[in-house]
Amino acid sequence: DIVMTQSPDSLTVSLGERATINCKSSETVLYSSNNKNYLAWYQQKPGQPPKLLIYWASTRESGVPDRFSGSGSGTDFTLTIRSLQAEDVAVYYCQQYFSYPITFGQGTRLEIK
Amino acid sequence: QVQLQESGPGLVKPSETLSLTCTVSGGSITNYYWGWIRQPPGKGLEWIGTLSPTGSTNYISSLTSRVTISGDTSKNQVSLQLTSVTAADSAMYYCAKVAVAANIFFDFWGQGTLVTVSS
Repeated sequence: DIVMTQSPDSLTVSLGERATINCKSSETVLYSSNNKNYLAWYQQKPGQPPKLLIYWASTRESGVPDRFSGSGSGTDFTLTIRSLQAEDVAVYYCQQYFSYPITFGQGTRLEIK
Repeated sequence: QVQLQESGPGLVKPSETLSLTCTVSGGSITNYYWGWIRQPPGKGLEWIGTLSPTGSTNYISSLTSRVTISGDTSKNQVSLQLTSVTAADSAMYYCAKVAVAANIFFDFWGQGTLVTVSS
C-alpha cells in the first residue's frame, strides 16, 4: 500500500499570509507513460464532506479560488494557499489514486493566528 | 450536477450487518465510478471501496471479507453492506462520485451518514 504522510499535522497562519502543506508518498505516484502525478487534495470544513481542490497534483478543480495551488512530482507534493482567508480554516487531505488501495494522508488542520 | 444522498440506520448492533444506500440524482450510476469512504469521529478519511460502471469492485484489503458494494440501476442507487460490525466500524460514511473515468479521485460527495455500532 502507498502510505501518504502529511506535514505538519497542524498549522497556524495569519490572515493574508501563505500556508504550505506538504504530502509525501511512500512510493512514486508519477505514471511515466503519461507524465501525470496521481495525487489529489481535498478541503474539509467542520460538519461538511471533503471538497475536491486539486487533482493531477496541480490542476485546480472548477470553482476553486486561484489562491489554492498544488505542486510537486513523484513522491513529494505541496498545497499552497496564498493570502489566507478566514474561510480557509479546515482540515486538508492529500490522496493518491496511482494504485489500489486508494489512500489518504492523515490530514493537516489549518487555523488562523 | 450530480447529487448524492446517503441513507441507512444510524445505530447498528455489534455482529450485525450495516446496510447503507446512496441515492444518486443528476446522473446515471452506469456512467461513472462510485466510492464509499468512511471517517471515524475526529479522525481521517479511509477509502472502503469502488464500484465501476460495469459493476466490478475494488475493496480495501482489511474489509474484503466483510464488505460488498453494489449498484441498483433501476433505482439509481449505490449500496454498501458491511457484515459482522464492531465498534471500530463506527464512523461517518460517505458515498462519492469518481471524477474522471477510472482515476479514483472524488468530485462530488454526499453529506454522509453517521453510523454508530453499539448494543
